[in-house]
Amino acid sequence: QQQVKQSPQSLIVQKGGISIINCAYENTAFDYFPWYQQFPGKGPALLIAIRPDVSEKKEGRFTISFNKSAKQFSLHIMDSQPGDSATYFCAASSPGNTPLVFGKGTRLSVIA
Amino acid sequence: SQTIHQWPATLVQPVGSPLSLECTVEGTSNPNLYWYRQAAGRGLQLLFYSVGIGQISSEVPQNLSASRPQDRQFILSSKKLLLSDSGFYLCAWSPKGYQPQHFGDGTRLSIL
Repeated sequence: QQQVKQSPQSLIVQKGGISIINCAYENTAFDYFPWYQQFPGKGPALLIAIRPDVSEKKEGRFTISFNKSAKQFSLHIMDSQPGDSATYFCAASSPGNTPLVFGKGTRLSVIA
Repeated sequence: SQTIHQWPATLVQPVGSPLSLECTVEGTSNPNLYWYRQAAGRGLQLLFYSVGIGQISSEVPQNLSASRPQDRQFILSSKKLLLSDSGFYLCAWSPKGYQPQHFGDGTRLSIL
């Protein structure tokens, strides 16, 4: 019940295309859903996050879509660029001092 | 602003040797602190987290231990390293009671 299932494991997208990464969870107590971006040799960096009181959040080319009833959330990267090539992790946490539960990651490659 | 420091950036150690990795956070007080390990091309494995000085929660029984001697200092240790301890070790912090977690740039540990 503590798992966050992320798919796909890897993704290749043409430059200018839309990258979509999906995550699903079971724990209905989760109330915070961030996405992290990690480049090789670096720590993950917070990209965008959402709480379940909204169904969508957009920051620049990055959008989180959240479906509370289906217990799913996704990251959309519009106009994908080669510089977006990285590993993306979804995560979730419940209220209080509980650590994030991470998905297993998606390796995105954007090719020209 | 808050910053997190991890050192060293890379470390090569022989099997059976001791280990001490240090992480410090600046610009905040009483943070939650976390240690993660990431195997090559894999996801994030939570090793330890701490909500206060001397308070350590262990997520995975193993050859490692953690200590928090000061409010903003988190140390990962081992008495005798195993080959399986190789990996990318990441420290992270979060404010009390809510996310997000912010990661350091990690330590690449190679065991020979």
